[in-house]
Amino acid sequence: AQKITQTQPGMFVQEKEAVTLDCTYDTSDPSYGLFWYKQPSSGEMIFLIYQGSYDQQNATEGRYSLNFQKARKSANLVISASQLGDSAMYFCAMREGLFSGGYNKLIFGAGTRLAVHP
Amino acid sequence: GAVVSQHPSRVICKSGTSVKIECRSLDFQATTMFWYRQFPKKSLMLMATSNEGSKATYEQGVEKDKFLINHASLTLSTLTVTSAHPEDSSFYICSARERIFYGYTFGSGTRLTVV
Repeated sequence: AQKITQTQPGMFVQEKEAVTLDCTYDTSDPSYGLFWYKQPSSGEMIFLIYQGSYDQQNATEGRYSLNFQKARKSANLVISASQLGDSAMYFCAMREGLFSGGYNKLIFGAGTRLAVHP
Repeated sequence: GAVVSQHPSRVICKSGTSVKIECRSLDFQATTMFWYRQFPKKSLMLMATSNEGSKATYEQGVEKDKFLINHASLTLSTLTVTSAHPEDSSFYICSARERIFYGYTFGSGTRLTVV
């Protein structure tokens, strides 16, 4: 069964500094996708970045990058130059069966609450 | 980009009544819809997966008769909380996926309060 683990309930970072949010996963499926979402207090889920299990390079999207270490089954999110607006809950999620064309569900980790201080 | 419209955003209902939450994909065909429940400061817990035209698949521990899911068309899925009780109060959020697109598009969520 697929499993996502986020061990940091809360993180603090100074504005303009970088922060790493940890995510480890467990799956026996060789094809899977990893996602990071941001959830501000309004509740909406904002897609940040995606990494496929067969992608050769680590994903990057603006200030977001994903440190993908396949052998260690980790997919940490790195936010560079933190901004006050980055304060939110961050969820790591995984989908198995990437190329099966099926309707595989997205399973979420427990989340990390990030607070950016001025 | 893909948009999923979820309504209502907030609803307050009396114990014993039923509440319907709608999710519509506005610019794509949602072959699959997922319904999640989220308690305060907790993660999203998958309740069920629905494919257009077929019965929903519920996760273990989710009451099928309490949480009725209908996915009658490629653009609309509904979640009906039947005979609501205060313990059903929660944040409910839907997610839609196209067949060929790897991503998931989320609705804005519904905050249900049962009094």
